[in-house]
Amino acid sequence: AQKVTQAQTEISVVEKEDVTLDCVYETRDTTYYLFWYKQPPSGELVFLIRRNSFDEQNEISGRYSWNFQKSTSSFNFTITASQVVDSAVYFCALSENSNYQLIWGAGTKLIIKP
Amino acid sequence: DVKVTQSSRYLVKRTGEKVFLECVQDMDHENMFWYRQDPGLGLRLIYFSYDVKMKEKGDIPEGYSVSREKKERFSLILESASTNQTSMYLCASGFSTGRNTEAFFGQGTRLTVV
Repeated sequence: AQKVTQAQTEISVVEKEDVTLDCVYETRDTTYYLFWYKQPPSGELVFLIRRNSFDEQNEISGRYSWNFQKSTSSFNFTITASQVVDSAVYFCALSENSNYQLIWGAGTKLIIKP
Repeated sequence: DVKVTQSSRYLVKRTGEKVFLECVQDMDHENMFWYRQDPGLGLRLIYFSYDVKMKEKGDIPEGYSVSREKKERFSLILESASTNQTSMYLCASGFSTGRNTEAFFGQGTRLTVV
């Protein structure tokens, strides 16, 4: 069963719009970690954030923010005032304490039009 | 900065050839991983290694083998390449302290088997 669901296959917005990428996960572990990675057209995955299951505080880093809600098993990622350079595929991933492997979502392709 | 380097960005090989994909990291990471990435399927783990000469199968090891003779180098081997192994291959590395640390990725190798 898929444990990380990124339901949005592709999102296209105009520059300066805000955009939210959804990530829903499934786990029975009480301790787990959630990640977001960015994969620009160059191909290299870039680590963006890691959040553990005991820390539900929202995180903000510049134009990026993350909303972690255990009640809905979601870890959504918002880009404020999007820019063309934000165009990439974004992956959400889960690491359970009982399993060292990263479990990946299928990715969301984000297209920012000028 | 962590550097994970994959030997080739693009490769074209013939069916039946033996193919070597090389990956080198410079951060003294214990863990190294090989993934393949296909559209709509996200990242799938082929093999990983948690120490020199140690390896474990991931989700899709069939048709692949690996070698880790030195800590910094992790090689993926396609014993007899087939067209269904045409894909993007991503190498990653990470520390073993705490299973859930982030992974750092190379730029990827796009392999085409004809």
